[in-house]
Amino acid sequence: DVKVTQSSRYLVKRTGEKVFLECVQDMDHENMFWYRQDPGLGLRLIYFSYDVKMKEKGDIPEGYSVSREKKERFSLILESASTNQTSMYLCASKPGQGPSNYGYTFGSGTRLTVV
Amino acid sequence: GENVEQHPSTLSVQEGDSAVIKCTYSDSASNYFPWYKQELGKGPQLIIDIRSNVGEKKDQRIAVTLNKTAKHFSLHITETQPEDSAVYFCAASRMGDMRFGAGTRLTVKP
Repeated sequence: DVKVTQSSRYLVKRTGEKVFLECVQDMDHENMFWYRQDPGLGLRLIYFSYDVKMKEKGDIPEGYSVSREKKERFSLILESASTNQTSMYLCASKPGQGPSNYGYTFGSGTRLTVV
Repeated sequence: GENVEQHPSTLSVQEGDSAVIKCTYSDSASNYFPWYKQELGKGPQLIIDIRSNVGEKKDQRIAVTLNKTAKHFSLHITETQPEDSAVYFCAASRMGDMRFGAGTRLTVKP
């Protein structure tokens, strides 16, 4: 069964910590995405990547960075966690080269709490 | 950029009834419209999609309709069952730039 795997379901971190959220997909997809999901706001795009070592900012990149050293892995980094980054984080991937229209496969999400 | 609005935000129906969720989009160049279902504790899952060259698509109890002129599309679920209870998201995409609606929480009462 093909899937997108997020390494942690729940995380609790302290303000100021550097936080790594890991995502791995086994579908050989070129495109990977990080979203955050907040009640009433839907899904908001943080960063995305169309290829290895390539990254593009989404709508809300402030306070985040990403790394894509291998095709199957896309990491989200919170440089200095703050309480307003408490949220559900969703990783997704899709096939196709570059800006193509296909459905996403999502991971199960990481619920991050920053205290 | 694209803006997707989704209504209603919550919807409660009796088992066996139909449910309809509506979305509007702003970018007339959007040409791909997927729907996702998110069950409690899980990530969203693609349940049906439609491209702009098609007006309607059906898969068993779910169907999606698209009105390009009015820039709106809808999800229809017939003969609802308790396992249909979830949050549903619509999305509109142009050249891979996908924008999501805020979601509809559907509750199917037995």
